[in-house]
Amino acid sequence: EDQVTQSPEALRLQEGESSSLNCSYTVSGLRGLFWYRQDPGKGPEFLFTLYSAGEEKEKERLKATLTKKESFLHITAPKPEDSATYLCAVLLIKAAGNKLTFGGGTRVLVKP
Amino acid sequence: DAGVTQSPTHLIKTRGQHVTLRCSPISGHKSVSWYQQVLGQGPQFIFQYYEKEERGRGNFPDRFSARQFPNYSSELNVNALLLGDSALYLCASSLEQFSYEQYFGPGTRLTVT
Repeated sequence: EDQVTQSPEALRLQEGESSSLNCSYTVSGLRGLFWYRQDPGKGPEFLFTLYSAGEEKEKERLKATLTKKESFLHITAPKPEDSATYLCAVLLIKAAGNKLTFGGGTRVLVKP
Repeated sequence: DAGVTQSPTHLIKTRGQHVTLRCSPISGHKSVSWYQQVLGQGPQFIFQYYEKEERGRGNFPDRFSARQFPNYSSELNVNALLLGDSALYLCASSLEQFSYEQYFGPGTRLTVT
């Protein structure tokens, strides 16, 4: 069965304290791995797409990397506005159609 | 540019009732997918529609149905509501059926009492 697992479930950081979020997956038919940011009560906001092992993407204080079985989202010198839930998802191409399968998310709180 | 829009924003229904949620994709996007997000969990895939046809279905009961209109907007219908249907319902649009990037709307918060 296709599974996506994120860890830790929650992360409390001091402003400026860098850290990494993990997304591991056991799926067949992977076509891409996505990172989203979600603020409370809102829809997920697209951050990155990664397609192949070794690929890296950066945006401001965020950097996403991908290996064959997991992805990391590195947050460098975070600010309070980086507080959000970070979701990873894998895009699976199946005979019945394609779909995003999400992990449970990591809730990040950055304290000033 | 307008993003994905959903209506209504919030909805309160009673067990056993029926509900219809609406979604308008980004202009030019032909594919719409629906997701259910229970509080504290990641979104779960319900349906994908492309060119008015169902192209993918998640593990949800037949009480859930959807359709897509010629202008690519979409409706999600849920019959015989249960307390467990309370969730944030998200719509995501993408350019084509197998486009990799999906863009989400703000969601509809459904509460079943």
